[in-house]
Amino acid sequence: TQLLEQSPQFLSIQEGENLTVYCNSSSVFSSLQWYRQEPGEGPVLLVTVVTGGEVKKLKRLTFQFGDARKDSSLHITAAQPGDTGLYLCAANFGNEKLTFGTGTRLTIIP
Amino acid sequence: DTAVSQTPKYLVTQMGNDKSIKCEQNLGHDTMYWYKQDSKKFLKIMFSYNNKELIINETVPNRFSPKSPDKAHLNLHINSLELGDSAVYFCASSHRTDTQYFGPGTRLTVL
Repeated sequence: TQLLEQSPQFLSIQEGENLTVYCNSSSVFSSLQWYRQEPGEGPVLLVTVVTGGEVKKLKRLTFQFGDARKDSSLHITAAQPGDTGLYLCAANFGNEKLTFGTGTRLTIIP
Repeated sequence: DTAVSQTPKYLVTQMGNDKSIKCEQNLGHDTMYWYKQDSKKFLKIMFSYNNKELIINETVPNRFSPKSPDKAHLNLHINSLELGDSAVYFCASSHRTDTQYFGPGTRLTVL
């Protein structure tokens, strides 16, 4: 069974600070996606990374795919209250389904 | 112009009852999914249908029966509801294994 562990599980920081969320697995995955979910809504895709070592930027969000394709990170610069939400990584282990991570609940305090 | 819609949004019912959740997508996708999100926010796939054919069936009690009348619809029927079935159920759709688009969720509470 492939598992995706996210850390930290909960994170509460002040507006303007930087943060990093991690997603780790013991198995290699072919691609990885990051989603953000707000209360009462479904997850919304932020980015997909497919190449080991790949770095993608989405405004203040930077996503990195580990060289060994077993881990990924999401870095947010100058966090804003609108960044508050549940961040989920999801991996494709080559079996036609997405396996979701354990989630990180982020709260940005104004 | 809703992409993936689910009904109802909230469902409160007694243990032992049978209930259905409906899902529709207007994105022209060929693959639809049902996920369950528990109280700890862990999201786990239950079923996946491609062109109305079941392709993924995780370890889900057979009280749960998905039905896909056409490519745009995937409904979930649950028999003999149990307390442990309380969760948020999400429908999603995609074109093959591309990006999945999620519905707003159905919060099921079994009393």
